[in-house]
Amino acid sequence: DAGITQSPRHKVTETGTPVTLRCHQTENHRYMYWYRQDPGHGLRLIHYSYGVKDTDKGEVSDGYSVSRSKTEDFLLTLESATSSQTSVYFCAITPGLRYEQYFGPGTRLTVT
Amino acid sequence: QKEVEQNSGPLSVPEGAIASLNCTYSDRGSQSFFWYRQYSGKSPELIMFIYSNGDKEDGRFTAQLNKASQYVSLLIRDSQPSDSATYLCAEAGGGADGLTFGKGTHLIIQP
Repeated sequence: DAGITQSPRHKVTETGTPVTLRCHQTENHRYMYWYRQDPGHGLRLIHYSYGVKDTDKGEVSDGYSVSRSKTEDFLLTLESATSSQTSVYFCAITPGLRYEQYFGPGTRLTVT
Repeated sequence: QKEVEQNSGPLSVPEGAIASLNCTYSDRGSQSFFWYRQYSGKSPELIMFIYSNGDKEDGRFTAQLNKASQYVSLLIRDSQPSDSATYLCAEAGGGADGLTFGKGTHLIIQP
């Protein structure tokens, strides 16, 4: 699992509530990523980070924000959760050699 | 917008045969290509990556890249029931700004 943990692993929340997902890595990698995976859509990039306080948007960033105040932690926040954000969320890192990525175990989020 | 296309399957292959998985990509500037295996309810696991035209072999797996045809394939020799999974093809455009994934091919190895 490339030293990546995600928390929580499962969460059920109500529409309109804020939700924060955490990704923690132990190997001091510069690059970190958040993806969501949905049936029929595959894995899609939400946001990524290329260093502390350095982040950028991915393909499906609307409704999400991120923060990275320490190298080891990358937080994904849903400001006001909607049912369309029900998904499995994966965090990933890259050692940066050929941009191959290694994934964390995932967080299953259900918005009711 | 970059696209990676895969046949969703399911692709059914007898045990011991060769499984052939294919992928096409839209961006001629793509530099590196990856194959991930994902078991149901689990995270994607990197099994191969390739960035030069030709073949790359690792155990029972061979990745093939043809940049002129914008085509990537994965061959699995001596297929085992444990190879039954969804296989994701992905590409990196040359930077660390994330991968573009195909939707995956569901592979079933029949005992």
